[in-house]
Amino acid sequence: AQRVTQPEKLLSVFKGAPVELKCNYSYSGSPELFWYVQYSRQRLQLLLRHISRESIKGFTADLNKGETSFHLKKPFAQEEDSAMYYCALRSGSARQLTFGSGTQLTVLP
Amino acid sequence: ETGVTQSPTHLIKTRGQQVTLRCSSQSGHNTVSWYQQALGQGPQFIFQYYREEENGRGNFPPRFSGLQFPNYSSELNVNALELDDSALYLCASSLAREGTDTQYFGPGTRLTVL
Repeated sequence: AQRVTQPEKLLSVFKGAPVELKCNYSYSGSPELFWYVQYSRQRLQLLLRHISRESIKGFTADLNKGETSFHLKKPFAQEEDSAMYYCALRSGSARQLTFGSGTQLTVLP
Repeated sequence: ETGVTQSPTHLIKTRGQQVTLRCSSQSGHNTVSWYQQALGQGPQFIFQYYREEENGRGNFPPRFSGLQFPNYSSELNVNALELDDSALYLCASSLAREGTDTQYFGPGTRLTVL
């Protein structure tokens, strides 16, 4: 069965510092991986997906199949990046999402 | 274009009761997925409806059931409520089309079972 692990529940960095949110997965097939973000008092929304190989709001994530990881990175964190971040894997006939437990990122001034 | 909406926002029930939660899909979407998010956890897949048929189900008992209507709105029904059913219930809509079926989430319904 598929599983997504986010080892850090809380992560604090200072403004302008690099940030990396860790995500590891286990899945026997070819994975489709996503990062979702939830800002305070807002709904869950897609940040980026590995298949697009895009950079959104300065964030990037590279799929490493050897290490089964999909870490989210940003070189210079901003205060507005403070939010809850969820890593998710899509699988199954319904293409449903399996989420990790989330990492609360706080960017300090 | 309107986003995904859910009702009610909050709900309090007692153990053993039944509850119905509602979701209106984003305009143009034909697929609805339901997730349960317990406190401190990520969302967990309950089931999905596509063109009014259940299209996949997670590890939830049969007392969790659903419907999708011709306008693609959906209901989640939970019978014989248990204390552990207390959670945020999220609905997500998407357009089932290869490679573009991003799931868009609603704001959720907070269910408390006493």
